Amino acid sequence: ETGVTQSPTHLIKTRGQQVTLRCSSQSGHNTVSWYQQALGQGPQFIFQYYREEENGRGNFPPRFSGLQFPNYSSELNVNALELDDSALYLCASSTAASGSPHEQYFGPGTRLTVT
Amino acid sequence: GQQLNQNPQSMFIQEGEDVSMNCTSSSIFNTWLWYKQDPGEGPVLLIALYKAGELTSNGRLTAQFGITRKDSFLNISASIPSDVGIYFCAGQLRAGGTSYGKLTFGQGTILTVHP
Repeated sequence: ETGVTQSPTHLIKTRGQQVTLRCSSQSGHNTVSWYQQALGQGPQFIFQYYREEENGRGNFPPRFSGLQFPNYSSELNVNALELDDSALYLCASSTAASGSPHEQYFGPGTRLTVT
Repeated sequence: GQQLNQNPQSMFIQEGEDVSMNCTSSSIFNTWLWYKQDPGEGPVLLIALYKAGELTSNGRLTAQFGITRKDSFLNISASIPSDVGIYFCAGQLRAGGTSYGKLTFGQGTILTVHP
C-alpha cells in the first residue's frame, strides 16, 4: 500500500455537471500528479502540482483544473463534463528535490462515469 | 497523447514459465519505471531505472534500461498465478532541479498465467 488515498471511489455524473476529486499524498511527499486512464489504455498525464502551483500540464483543456493545499493534498476539478471524461482518475505522489528521482506512487483511483 | 510502444499487448503463459516484455520510444528518457495494475486498482511501482544500461532486480523481476535510452525491458522468471495483471512501462524525462517529471506510459501488457 502506497499511503496515497483518493476520494470518492466511484462517482456518477451527468454531462455538463462539474466534479471535484480529492487526493491525499504519501507522508513526506510534496508533489502530486494527476492522470486520466481510459478503459484499456495507459494513464495520461493531466498536470502536476508542486508548492501549491501547477508545475506542468499535459494535453487537457482548461476545464480540467486543480489545487494543491499546504498539507500537499490536492483536488482535481473538471467543469462541463463530457461523456469522454468517463475514466479512472489517478493521483500520484512523489518528492521533488533537485537531482532526486521522481518515483511516483499511485492511489487507488476514482472511477468517474459521465452519463 | 504520446504513448510508448509496449509489446506484447497480451501474453498467455503456463505457471512456471518466464515472461519478457519491452517498451520502445521515439525519444529518450532518463528514467524508466515499470508498474503492475490489478483490476480496479492504481498502478503499483515494481522497478525504477535511472541509468542507461542499468540492470535491476526485484525478486523474480528483472528490468533493464536500454543503452540508447529509448527502450526498456522487463523479465519475470518462474511465473506464478498472482503475477496476473497489466504491466505498464513508463518513461520520465527530468530536466533537473524541480522541473516536473511527467510519466509517459505504454499501452500495457496483459499477463494471464494458467495454473
